[in-house]
Amino acid sequence: DGGITQSPKYLFRKEGQNVTLSCEQNLNHDAMYWYRQDPGQGLRLIYYSQIVNDFQKGDIAEGYSVSREKKESFPLTVTSAQKNPTAFYLCASSQQGARNQPQHFGDGTRLSIL
Amino acid sequence: AQTVTQSQPEMSVQEAETVTLSCTYDTSESNYYLFWYKQPPSRQMILVIRQEAYKQQNATENRFSVNFQKAAKSFSLKISDSQLGDTAMYFCAFIGPGTASKLTFGTGTRLQVTL
Repeated sequence: DGGITQSPKYLFRKEGQNVTLSCEQNLNHDAMYWYRQDPGQGLRLIYYSQIVNDFQKGDIAEGYSVSREKKESFPLTVTSAQKNPTAFYLCASSQQGARNQPQHFGDGTRLSIL
Repeated sequence: AQTVTQSQPEMSVQEAETVTLSCTYDTSESNYYLFWYKQPPSRQMILVIRQEAYKQQNATENRFSVNFQKAAKSFSLKISDSQLGDTAMYFCAFIGPGTASKLTFGTGTRLQVTL
């Protein structure tokens, strides 16, 4: 079955440490997205990529970095510059340009500070 | 910039009853898409229903329907014959023009279906 796989499900970060969240999709979608979810704030866009080797900042990109070397992979790195990283992170994908088509979401990664 | 507002943080409904979740949005665009997503305790985001702004007819998916009022910028979700499995967070979301297909989400409504 096609879908989006996020790993790990739970992740812990020490002070000053960078951590990377994995997102892989086999839906052959061009566009991929990273969202952060905090209680009471809904989902906020961190970064998105419409095509391989290209990505754009979303609304809350500070303290995060991404890469898009392969169509099916869009890893998110939470750097030490992100002072409040504790949140639920969701990866999504969609057909490029197909705004009426829904984004497909992974099951998420919960990141906590040790 | 577009904004999406969900003014009901929590709602409760009895099984088999009908409930309506409200959503308003702010945009200067005329061509856009609206979605309702459901997030059960498992945290997976599931599409419930979608509406295209240029279509006047309200979208319907089984027990779920919307009341889309374009002039009022309102997009409410009606759940009929509520079931225990409908218990979840519900998010209203908006996609505007352009090719990036970026979703703007509301803050969500937590719906509890009770016996």
